[in-house]
Amino acid sequence: AQSVTQLDSHVSVSEGTPVLLRCNYSSSYSPSLFWYVQHPNKGLQLLLKYTSAATLVKGINGFEAEFKKSETSFHLTKPSAHMSDAAEYFCVVSDRGAGKSTFGDGTTLTVKP
Amino acid sequence: EAGVAQSPRYKIIEKRQSVAFWCNPISGHATLYWYQQILGQGPKLLIQFQNNGVVDDSQLPKDRFSAERLKGVDSTLKIQPAKLEDSAVYLCASSWGGGGTDTQYFGPGTRLTVL
Repeated sequence: AQSVTQLDSHVSVSEGTPVLLRCNYSSSYSPSLFWYVQHPNKGLQLLLKYTSAATLVKGINGFEAEFKKSETSFHLTKPSAHMSDAAEYFCVVSDRGAGKSTFGDGTTLTVKP
Repeated sequence: EAGVAQSPRYKIIEKRQSVAFWCNPISGHATLYWYQQILGQGPKLLIQFQNNGVVDDSQLPKDRFSAERLKGVDSTLKIQPAKLEDSAVYLCASSWGGGGTDTQYFGPGTRLTVL
């Protein structure tokens, strides 16, 4: 069994300040972890993924996430928010063998000017 | 490279009617997924195909939902009869393989409203 908890349903930051979106997961095996972003009226797009290589993963648009097995976390960060980062973000855990994916309920990021 | 195509983009029906959604994955992708995304929630996997075989349909309400992937390419998801609680966005995604490390590429979705 696997599950994902995104700890904040809404996060609001000012432009130019750091972003932190928190994700905890539960898995019976060594999982793969993903962050996807969904802009309004656009499809889900991969930001980054962890698949057992380096624990610090860099993604597109300056985002990165760190896999911490001891804390079962995979938090998403960005040093400086941009207005274009405003979107819905989903953390996903996946069974590496069967490929079944479980999505979190999402975090809405608002960026204030 | 063309992305995942879905149609229609929007559909409004009355309860107890039937509806069908179509998905064309990225060329060469072996695995195709259908997700249901209810407002305020994350996408929930309904069914996963690898080529034209079903890998996982454990969360598909089989009394009213059906899906097929003929010839391992296009797929159709059908709801018959629809209920009010089926109102959601139905997302189709595809990936190169079927493993859990693969990136999934998503279509724009079909927004279904059941009145």
